[in-house]
This record gives sequence, C-alpha cells and structure tokens, in this order.
Amino acid sequence: GNSVTQMEGPVTLSEEAFLTINCTYTATGYPSLFWYVQYPGEGLQLLLKATKADDKGSNKGFEATYRKETTSFHLEKGSVQVSDSAVYFCALSVYTGNQFYFGTGTSLTVIP
Amino acid sequence: DVKVTQSSRYLVKRTGEKVFLECVQDMDHENMFWYRQDPGLGLRLIYFSYDVKMKEKGDIPEGYSVSREKKERFSLILESASTNQTSMYLCASSFILGQTGANVLTFGAGSRLTVL
Repeated sequence: GNSVTQMEGPVTLSEEAFLTINCTYTATGYPSLFWYVQYPGEGLQLLLKATKADDKGSNKGFEATYRKETTSFHLEKGSVQVSDSAVYFCALSVYTGNQFYFGTGTSLTVIP
Repeated sequence: DVKVTQSSRYLVKRTGEKVFLECVQDMDHENMFWYRQDPGLGLRLIYFSYDVKMKEKGDIPEGYSVSREKKERFSLILESASTNQTSMYLCASSFILGQTGANVLTFGAGSRLTVL
C-alpha cells in the first residue's frame, strides 16, 4: 500500500540552526512527493514538490531530494528563522490517482 | 494564484444541529476534497469529488455527506452534529501538474468547528 512516515516532533531549534525533518514512504507505482507547511490557524500550503526520482524540490531556502533507493524525501534548511515556525507535512500522491497520503506532521518551533 | 475559499473560519454549533461547510475554488479544478485534521491523527480524508455530482467516500465518511452541484463548489454537511465532530476541516482542490501527471493539492484556510 501507500503510506508516509515522518519524524515525530516537536522540534525546537535556535535561529540559524540547520533543520532536517525525515520522511520515508512506501508506494505502489511512481509517486510524486510533497512537503506542505501549515502556519498557526491556517490551512496547508505547498512548500515544495518532486515528481520523479533524483528530483530536488526547493523553495524559500528549503530543499528535499526524491531518493528512490532509500524511499526518502527529507526536508532540509541550512539556516532557520523564527518565521519558519510551523507544522510540516510530508505527502505523496500516486500517478493517475486521486488519493493523497500524508504524514502526521512535524511541529517546528524556532527560538530567537 | 489558485484560491480555495472556505466561507466560515470559525463555527460554534450545538449537538444535533445541521451544519454546512462551504468551499469554493476559482481555478476550474476537477477534483475537490474534504479533510479533517485532529491533533496526533494528521489529516484524514472524509470525501472527495472528481466531477460535478460525483463523490467518493474517503477514510472517515460516517456522519458526513457532501454536495457538488457546481464544479467550483463542494459542500460538507453534518446532518446532526456531535461533539466528536469538533475539529478543523480543510477543503482542497487538485490539478494535474503538466506532463508528470502529478496531482497537486491546494488547500483552503480551514474551518474550525466546535460542537457543544
């Protein structure tokens, strides 16, 4: 079946620290992979995506590489800011499907 | 930018009331979804619709129904609200990304429902 497992939170970092949030997946077929971000009181926003193996998605200083061999899509940022405090969701969709599979979310708090 | 608009950000209802949550998207997307978000449980799919008047049950459809009379509008209905339906409800629509065939979800801001 299809599923996403992501790192449990909460994560607390100091400003300018390096961030990694781990995400692994299982999928039938050829999934597309996504990171969504949810700021307090808001819906989810697409942060970045990758649609095939070895693709790197990037946005706002965040990056994630689609690794088929390790079935992973880890989110990284070199220097986090207070404004990055949010909940981050890893997700996948399967080609031709209308189904999306989400991880349970990782809460990030960045302190000054 | 695609916009998915949920008409009510915060609602407070009483047990047994009928509740309508409205969602409108402005980008002619075929697919629309209703999710429920609860702490520790992540997002759970209630219903989705792939065309006008078409609907499919998701993972937790019990206690809910949906309506899609127009392409841009997808409504979630709680026929008789109960306290265990207190939650954040997220509407989304999706489109196919270019030649990749990848489906990309765009979410509304959410509707936080409290049932007393």
